[in-house]
Amino acid sequence: KQEVTQIPAALSVPEGENLVLNCSFTDSAIYNLQWFRQDPGKGLTSLLLIQSSQREQTSGRLNASLDKSSGRSTLYIAASQPGDSATYLCAVPFMGNEKLTFGTGTRLTIIP
Amino acid sequence: NAGVMQNPRHLVRRRGQEARLRCSPMKGHSHVYWYRQLPEEGLKFMVYLQKENIIDESGMPKERFSAEFPKEGPSILRIQQVVRGDSAAYFCASSANGVQETQYFGPGTRLLVL
Repeated sequence: KQEVTQIPAALSVPEGENLVLNCSFTDSAIYNLQWFRQDPGKGLTSLLLIQSSQREQTSGRLNASLDKSSGRSTLYIAASQPGDSATYLCAVPFMGNEKLTFGTGTRLTIIP
Repeated sequence: NAGVMQNPRHLVRRRGQEARLRCSPMKGHSHVYWYRQLPEEGLKFMVYLQKENIIDESGMPKERFSAEFPKEGPSILRIQQVVRGDSAAYFCASSANGVQETQYFGPGTRLLVL
């Protein structure tokens, strides 16, 4: 079964620290991997998309890596800020599927 | 670019009524996806449409749910004879070229069935 898992489900860190969020997927045949953030009661904001041929992608304080063979991705957030508090979701389109399969998310709280 | 637009943002229906959810994709996007987020659960795919065609409806319940994306106008997700279990946030996403490109999400419609 094609599944996406995110651990931990929740994470709290003091402001200013660097942190890593994890995402794993059961099938390495993917088109790409996307990271989103979701604020309470809001929609999803796309953060980064890594194509299956790429190893990492950067945007500002965010860096996402992809190890397709081991079925893992990480989202690194540098110098965390209270505004980073949100639920972070990873999602993959497995090959042969025209849809995103989502992880259940990591709820991140940055403590001022 | 206004982004993906959904309306209404909140919808309250009584059991047995119909719910119509609308989605206007980003300008230039012809691929539309609907996802559902049940309370305390992750997002689940429902249906994928291109203009006038349903490409994949494998995630949509066989009964009471239907979707369309006409040549003109927004995509519509229709739920007939709603039940309490339909209460959820329904998100629409669009992309320029299928799943191989970024999917952009709308703000969602939060459906509450009384």
